[in-house]
Amino acid sequence: KAGVTQTPRYLIKTRGQQVTLSCSPISGHRSVSWYQQTPGQGLQFLFEYFSETQRNKGNFPGRFSGRQFSNSRSEMNVSTLELGDSALYLCASSLIPDQETQYFGPGTRLLVL
Amino acid sequence: DQQVKQNSPSLSVQEGRISILNCDYTNSMFDYFLWYKKYPAEGPTFLISISSIKDKNEDGRFTVFLNKSAKHLSLHIVPSQPGDSAVYFCAARGGLNAGGTSYGKLTFGQGTILTVHP
Repeated sequence: KAGVTQTPRYLIKTRGQQVTLSCSPISGHRSVSWYQQTPGQGLQFLFEYFSETQRNKGNFPGRFSGRQFSNSRSEMNVSTLELGDSALYLCASSLIPDQETQYFGPGTRLLVL
Repeated sequence: DQQVKQNSPSLSVQEGRISILNCDYTNSMFDYFLWYKKYPAEGPTFLISISSIKDKNEDGRFTVFLNKSAKHLSLHIVPSQPGDSAVYFCAARGGLNAGGTSYGKLTFGQGTILTVHP
């Protein structure tokens, strides 16, 4: 069974631009969560989706948004990029929400110049 | 407000010895705890977990201990191997939101870099 896949793996953008990251969960998994990893803050929860609905949201500004499609694939969007948005963005999937184990993808490394 | 803390940024251990990674939490509503291992350029990989109704869970060389009264958990790796060198994150889940449903999100610690020397 294929793992969680994220595209693209690496991305370079400039301040003010917007970016869309994609996540395909493990087949059969319907819950997708997004996390931001930075050296100073560790892994920070962004949001969680299940059945195309956002269930939980972390403490991030409205520039960060996401969505989930009927096939459980998810995208997150960051608008008006800032230098501080440079980070590794990780997607994790589980069969259903609140399931104990989330499985992570390799992440998308975003660099904002 | 760091609800999950790993106070040791790094740990160095000799091969064959025991590695003990520690984690403290402040939110008494957490009901499930996990350890993840992360190599550079990869996503975290699930290692082992423990429910708040237990105080110990063992899986091969890995054992997690939970002390609820102290709000402390630890991961023991015995014996340590060079391939165990990675960043280890503890994470916690649980609590109720205003709607009365459990939080699905994981709250992570800052991570501890484990280096196992041959």
